[in-house]
Amino acid sequence: GNSVTQMEGPVTLSEEAFLTINCTYTATGYPSLFWYVQYPGEGLQLLLKATKADDKGSNKGFEATYRKETTSFHLEKGSVQVSDSAVYFCALRVFFYFGTGTSLTVIP
Amino acid sequence: DAGVIQSPRHEVTEMGQEVTLRCKPISGHDYLFWYRQTMMRGLELLIYFNNNVPIDDSGMPEDRFSAKMPNASFSTLKIQPSEPRDSAVYFCASSLEGTGPYFGPGTRLTVT
Repeated sequence: GNSVTQMEGPVTLSEEAFLTINCTYTATGYPSLFWYVQYPGEGLQLLLKATKADDKGSNKGFEATYRKETTSFHLEKGSVQVSDSAVYFCALRVFFYFGTGTSLTVIP
Repeated sequence: DAGVIQSPRHEVTEMGQEVTLRCKPISGHDYLFWYRQTMMRGLELLIYFNNNVPIDDSGMPEDRFSAKMPNASFSTLKIQPSEPRDSAVYFCASSLEGTGPYFGPGTRLTVT
């Protein structure tokens, strides 16, 4: 089946420290991988994503690289700020791809 | 169950106008998808929600498109402002984890 495993928290860092949050996944097919962030009192927001192996997603100083060989998508930031305090969720998606369709006409 | 319900079934509007498409998923389903279908591009996944939370909106073509799911039984897809190239059939679908999506009848949008 499809699943993600994140490192357990809580994580406490000093300002300007380096951040790594580990995420590994199990999936069939070729999932897209995501990091979401939830600030206090708010809903989840997409932080970054990567859709294929070796892709690097980045946003707001955060980065994560899709590593197929290690089935990982670790989140990193070189220098964290107080404003980065939030809950971070790793996620994967294996969704439904459709072809262009084939029209069939049956004649008697 | 009535299946996935979409409204309106047909919408004709002028370029620049705001368009809102509505969807009621099958009761109990925890995934909701919005797709767009055109002859040129086939069936494209625009966005999907899990338990009312937007999980991936990477298929949304532009910032003119937005989708919300305020509760488990209702979702909207809004286009503001609309353009002629937005003309398509928009499908809403819902599913349970591990199952294929059940599609609604679609909304045929024509932007003139």
